[in-house]
Amino acid sequence: GDSVTQMEGPVTLSEEAFLTINCTYTATGYPSLFWYVQYPGEGLQLLLKATKADDKGSNKGFEATYRKETTSFHLEKGSVQVSDSAVYFCALSGNAGGTSYGKLTFGQGTILTVHP
Amino acid sequence: EAGVTQFPSHSVIEKGQTVTLRCDPISGHDNLYWYRRVMGKEIKFLLHFVKESKQDESGMPNNRFLAERTGGTYSTLKVQPAELEDSGVYFCASSRPSSAGSYNEQFFGPGTRLTVL
Repeated sequence: GDSVTQMEGPVTLSEEAFLTINCTYTATGYPSLFWYVQYPGEGLQLLLKATKADDKGSNKGFEATYRKETTSFHLEKGSVQVSDSAVYFCALSGNAGGTSYGKLTFGQGTILTVHP
Repeated sequence: EAGVTQFPSHSVIEKGQTVTLRCDPISGHDNLYWYRRVMGKEIKFLLHFVKESKQDESGMPNNRFLAERTGGTYSTLKVQPAELEDSGVYFCASSRPSSAGSYNEQFFGPGTRLTVL
């Protein structure tokens, strides 16, 4: 079945540091890939997505590129802020028509803490 | 537009008791999902409703879990009787009606933290 393997944390960075959180996946066909973020006390929010190979999702300075050859979707940000402190989840949804279409398969989550 | 709401935010019960979690999706969202995160592990899919019908319940752990969505609006997830391993955070998500080949963003509620003692 589908699975997502995500870099385990926690990750602690200083403000303005470069961030990478690794994510690789296993799925049949052509899944859609996502990064969700959960800020303290809140629900999950979609951060960015990519629906086909070589697509780059971007939002709030974060980027991730759908790499089918390496089955990866690593999250990056060039300069993190204290307000980026949160839990980040990589996820996939199976391709349309497949048995896993619609439901999300998540990685374990990575806790990011950014210090001033 | 109101977001997805869940009630209660926290629940502490003893093993063997019954708990019912409620989710109110965004108005007009036909798709409703339940997920669960056991401490420190990945968020796992439980089931998917399209309106009042169960589209996929492959993630339901066992028959102690019963989900309903009468009338296709809010949904409840009942755990009866609760066991220690049921502790975790239960998330609900909703999305707009699906169209062929497209993915509609799932909007998540804040979750219900269930603790079984």
